[in-house]
Amino acid sequence: DVKVTQSSRYLVKRTGEKVFLECVQDMDHENMFWYRQDPGLGLRLIYFSYDVKMKEKGDIPEGYSVSREKKERFSLILESASTNQTSMYLCASSFRDQPQHFGDGTRLSIL
Amino acid sequence: AQSVAQPEDQVNVAEGNPLTVKCTYSVSGNPYLFWYVQYPNRGLQFLLKYITGDNLVKGSYGFEAEFNKSQTSFHLKKPSALVSDSALYFCAVRSVMDSSYKLIFGSGTRLLVRP
Repeated sequence: DVKVTQSSRYLVKRTGEKVFLECVQDMDHENMFWYRQDPGLGLRLIYFSYDVKMKEKGDIPEGYSVSREKKERFSLILESASTNQTSMYLCASSFRDQPQHFGDGTRLSIL
Repeated sequence: AQSVAQPEDQVNVAEGNPLTVKCTYSVSGNPYLFWYVQYPNRGLQFLLKYITGDNLVKGSYGFEAEFNKSQTSFHLKKPSALVSDSALYFCAVRSVMDSSYKLIFGSGTRLLVRP
């Protein structure tokens, strides 16, 4: 079974901090994705990656960056956290056009 | 532009009754369509997908979905609801023409099955 692990379930940070969210998958998937989930808005794609060191902007990349130095790990970085980045963050991975597999999410609060 | 609409924020149904969760989509070209379910404090779990072929797709936990090209719909159905089906359901779409593997998700529908 595919396992996508997000390093923290809950995280509280302060405005202006640099925040790292980590995601690891164990199935050698090429594709990895970061979403944020907000009530009434569904999931919105922040960034995705096809392969190591490759990244593509999603629909809402402003204020975020990503890093993919190893195939199994995809990190989301909030360069300078702001209160409007308080949200649930979901990581997913997939093999080609197969269904995406999701982690359990990180609920991030920015104070 | 690709989009997905889930017109109902919440669907209420009694246990044992059939349920339907609605989804309509807009894409260029033919669609790949997906349903996911999210239980509290968990990530999304894949339920079923439509790629091509039979318009009625069967998935996990007794769920099925019907692809209707003329109505651009992909409604999720189950003949007999269980209390344990109560969760948040997301429809997602990707165009066959899009090689990026990105999915566009709907806003979600909360299903509440009462005993």
